[in-house]
Amino acid sequence: DIQMTQSPSLLSASVGDRVTLSCTASRNIYNSLAWYQQKLGEAPKLLIYAVNSLQTGVPSRFSGSGSGTDYTLTISSLQPEDVATYFCQKYYSGYTFGPGTKVELK
Amino acid sequence: EVQLQQSGPELRRPGSSVKLSCKASGYNITDNLMHWVRYRPEHGLEWIGWIDPEDGKTKYVQKFQTKATLTADTSSNAAYMQLSSLTSEDTATYFCARPYNRYMWFPYWGQGTLVTVSS
Repeated sequence: DIQMTQSPSLLSASVGDRVTLSCTASRNIYNSLAWYQQKLGEAPKLLIYAVNSLQTGVPSRFSGSGSGTDYTLTISSLQPEDVATYFCQKYYSGYTFGPGTKVELK
Repeated sequence: EVQLQQSGPELRRPGSSVKLSCKASGYNITDNLMHWVRYRPEHGLEWIGWIDPEDGKTKYVQKFQTKATLTADTSSNAAYMQLSSLTSEDTATYFCARPYNRYMWFPYWGQGTLVTVSS
């Protein structure tokens, strides 16, 4: 089975900061990678699919990149409403989620 | 507009079972798979499996093969998940989710059903 890891597990940043979250697969997942934002008590919300495609309605400050086993979600200018936990998900050979990165305000 | 409406919170005793529902609107459930995902704060999101409502075919993550049973009722445009032999480890929020296209990412999610297992 392909495992997904994320780093860091907790990220503290200030409003306006550029924030980078990492996701690593144990094997090549051929760009079958999505990112979700989950706020407390809510369902996950799709942000990015196919590595770098922005879901309709998602602010352009969110972007994705990567290939092979290593992927990144970037928030160009952190906003208070971005406080949440972010999960990556592979949809190649199953649908495993990463353990998540919790983003909080410093 | 695609919407997934899940059933309300459940409280169950250890050893019992529970059946959760996920009613779809805005599309015919036979047009796509339906996935189920478990969320526990200390464990994050765990994919349970999917059902193809068109033919009833299912696929489960190995750890859920004896825990979860996925079904669908095309007449009511709804999917169901039964969880059996409940333990405290099954206390979680369970989501149904519809992929964009059969084997892809999940743009559509239900609001979640909290299952609490306690004596």
